[in-house]
Amino acid sequence: LAKTTQPISMDSYEGQEVNITCSHNNIATNDYITWYQQFPSQGPRFIIQGYKTKVTNEVASLFIPADRKSSTLSLPRVSLSDTAVYYCLVGDFSGAGSYQLTFGKGTKLSVIP
Amino acid sequence: KAGVTQTPRYLIKTRGQQVTLSCSPISGHRSVSWYQQTPGQGLQFLFEYFSETQRNKGNFPGRFSGRQFSNSRSEMNVSTLELGDSALYLCASSLDPGRTTDTQYFGPGTRLTVL
Repeated sequence: LAKTTQPISMDSYEGQEVNITCSHNNIATNDYITWYQQFPSQGPRFIIQGYKTKVTNEVASLFIPADRKSSTLSLPRVSLSDTAVYYCLVGDFSGAGSYQLTFGKGTKLSVIP
Repeated sequence: KAGVTQTPRYLIKTRGQQVTLSCSPISGHRSVSWYQQTPGQGLQFLFEYFSETQRNKGNFPGRFSGRQFSNSRSEMNVSTLELGDSALYLCASSLDPGRTTDTQYFGPGTRLTVL
């Protein structure tokens, strides 16, 4: 059963670059890695998705090494509004034969003025 | 395009009762997934429906069930409520996740409190 591991929390000052790493040792060959952002009492919001190497959009970058056993979400120049919980999502195929998506525990990012 | 909507937003029930939550996906999306979020367990997958069929199911007891209608709207039912069922229930829709991770769009959630 593939699982993901992320740091529980991180602190950063405004304007700094923040890197959050997720471990997923048992990622399946066809699975993509997706990151979501969640504010209190709201549903998660899609940030970025990738399969390998590097992906960049207007919000973040995602770095995935060749072995794909981990990924790093990079948020450039964070602001107070980036304070949220960030989830790493990887497709998961259970031994019982059903397919499910597994969210990690999430990383609570606190941006300090 | 309207986002995912969930009704009701807040619900208070007592132990032993049952509850039905509703989710309307983004227009054109055929897959609807349900998640339970609690402070202790985080986001946990309940089940996923596609074309009115439950395609995937998480590790929850049979008290949790769902269905999907021909217009892709979905309902989730919890019978014989327990205190531990208090949670934020999130619905997410996507075109068709399949085996590769697809972009899921989440609704605002239904906050269920069981007394």
